[in-house]
This record gives sequence, structure tokens and C-alpha cells, in this order.
Amino acid sequence: DADVTQTPRNRITKTGKRIMLECSQTKGHDRMYWYRQDPGLGLRLIYYSFDVKDINKGEISDGYSVSRQAQAKFSLSLESAIPNQTALYFCATSAEGGPNTEAFFGQGTRLTVV
Amino acid sequence: AQKVTQAQTEISVVEKEDVTLDCVYETRDTTYYLFWYKQPPSGELVFLIRRNSFDEQNEISGRYSWNFQKSTSSFNFTITASQVVDSAVYFCALTSNNAGNMLTFGGGTRLMVKP
Repeated sequence: DADVTQTPRNRITKTGKRIMLECSQTKGHDRMYWYRQDPGLGLRLIYYSFDVKDINKGEISDGYSVSRQAQAKFSLSLESAIPNQTALYFCATSAEGGPNTEAFFGQGTRLTVV
Repeated sequence: AQKVTQAQTEISVVEKEDVTLDCVYETRDTTYYLFWYKQPPSGELVFLIRRNSFDEQNEISGRYSWNFQKSTSSFNFTITASQVVDSAVYFCALTSNNAGNMLTFGGGTRLMVKP
């Protein structure tokens, strides 16, 4: 089983719909992240959380919200999806320990907004 | 602000050729960390290497090697004797003490190795 699991793996949704992407991890890490990947732009940080009570905006948080339900769970919501949110979304975790600590990524969620 | 530039968006080589993927970074921090990730067609991100700013030794791991040069702010990745299984998108990334664990990624280089 994967250490970082994202559900769903693929999703097609209509403009204006609310959608939630879920991430769970068995690494025991406190730190969790949501990134978005677009062609030619690499991955960009949407939100991050350093513990259950900590939520921080990343580079591109507009149009997104997150919830850290437990140490192991971090979900990303699109309240009203729009076509330019079509992308590949990655959840990641890392242990506390500074920037030298390796990040572990989920397998990605491919979201298409039509 | 930090920035990572991978100027090569796509590279195509024939199997057994050597190929170098370029990565240039910008940061004002004196302590920082550089990474390379591989994204095969299946989509997951595979960690390849981490290098900190105090260690300019080049590293070799099998057919992979990395050349870190602070003088030119570059962290280039060479695959020797490429194989079809090396076909993937490769990302260079950067973080620093002031950025916590947040990674700044380059735009990626798509490598296609043809038989």
C-alpha cells in the first residue's frame, strides 16, 4: 500500500460544482502539502499544514480551501470548480526537521473541469 | 523569492546516448537544498537526489550523475547510456531554511528516449 494515498485518482466535474480531493498518509508525518501541476509550470504550492491546527496559504490558494481533519488526513476543496482548475494535483508529506527532509508524494489526482 | 529554471522543455535522444538535463536556480538564502524528481508516464513523482548548498561534490549513482556548481547556480543531471525506461518528465526543485519544507519546482524537462 502507498504511504500517501490520494482519492479519487481521476475526476471529471462540471463548472460550478463543489469537489473535494482527499489525501491520507501512513508516514506519521506532521507536515502535509497540496501542489498543483500544470504543463510547463512544474508543481506549485496551494496550501500547507505543519500540524492539525495549522493551515497556511501557498503560492496559488485562490479558489481553494483545505481541511486538516487529523494528522493523517488533509483534504483540498474546490468550492465552485472552474475550467482553469483542470490540472494534476499532488498531496505530499514530510517529517518535521527542516528543509533537508524529503517530501513524499501521493500518486496524484487528475481533475478535469468541463 | 526563489526560482528554478529548466530551460529545456523537451529532449529527444536515441537509446544509449548520454543526455544532460539543465537546472538553474535563484535564491538569496545561503543554506538551501536542491532536488531532482522523476515523473514517469504513470504520473507519480519519484525522488532521485537531494543536495545541500554546502556540499558541492558531484554524485554518481549508476547511470545517473549530478553536477552541482554554486558559481553558476546550476544543478545539472546527466543520464549515461540512456534507456527507454528513462523516458519521463524530470523536475528540479529548491527549498531553503527560510522556505521551510516548501519546494519551488522548475517547469520540468520531458525526456524521450527512442529505441
